[in-house]
Amino acid sequence: SQTIHQWPATLVQPVGSPLSLECTVEGTSNPNLYWYRQAAGRGLQLLFYSVGIGQISSEVPQNLSASRPQDRQFILSSKKLLLSDSGFYLCAWNRGSYEQYFGPGTRLTVT
Amino acid sequence: QKEVEQDPGPLSVPEGAIVSLNCTYSNSAFQYFMWYRQYSRKGPELLMYTYSSGNKEDGRFTAQVDKSSKYISLFIRDSQPSDSATYLCAMSFPSGGYNKLIFGAGTRLAVHP
Repeated sequence: SQTIHQWPATLVQPVGSPLSLECTVEGTSNPNLYWYRQAAGRGLQLLFYSVGIGQISSEVPQNLSASRPQDRQFILSSKKLLLSDSGFYLCAWNRGSYEQYFGPGTRLTVT
Repeated sequence: QKEVEQDPGPLSVPEGAIVSLNCTYSNSAFQYFMWYRQYSRKGPELLMYTYSSGNKEDGRFTAQVDKSSKYISLFIRDSQPSDSATYLCAMSFPSGGYNKLIFGAGTRLAVHP
């Protein structure tokens, strides 16, 4: 069966510091990978998606970037965090299906 | 107007009640409809998905889609305290080489003993 991991689970970072969140998927190959952000009381906003290694598409202009160095690894980064980057970050995957499967999430607080 | 509208609640019901959760949408391109359950501070968990208009049942859960009215529902029978969570509807359509998901804002449900 497939499993999706995210780390860290929680993170508190000062404004202006860098960010690196990691997502890995086990039990499948060539997945589509997605990064979402969920603000309190709001739905999920798609940030980036990737259909293959090195292929990244951005949905919304952000202070963030994404990379996919390996088939089942997806990384979300920032060079300098803003207060507005605080939120719950979720990684998801699918492969040949409409439905997406989510990881446990990373709660980021920028202070 | 948002593409997907969902009443945020909160919805509070007694244990054993039938719960009805609803979403409306405006984009006729949506082809696939999903319901996710999200417990506090956890990632969303896929509950049900369906393609066609009509009902789909899985245990205590029934998903209903009415494409002509652009309206979807999730019914929970014999609700339990463990059903207390936020329920997100999601809709999908092909876009730019992948299937894009649009989410509702989520409805918070509390089932009290």
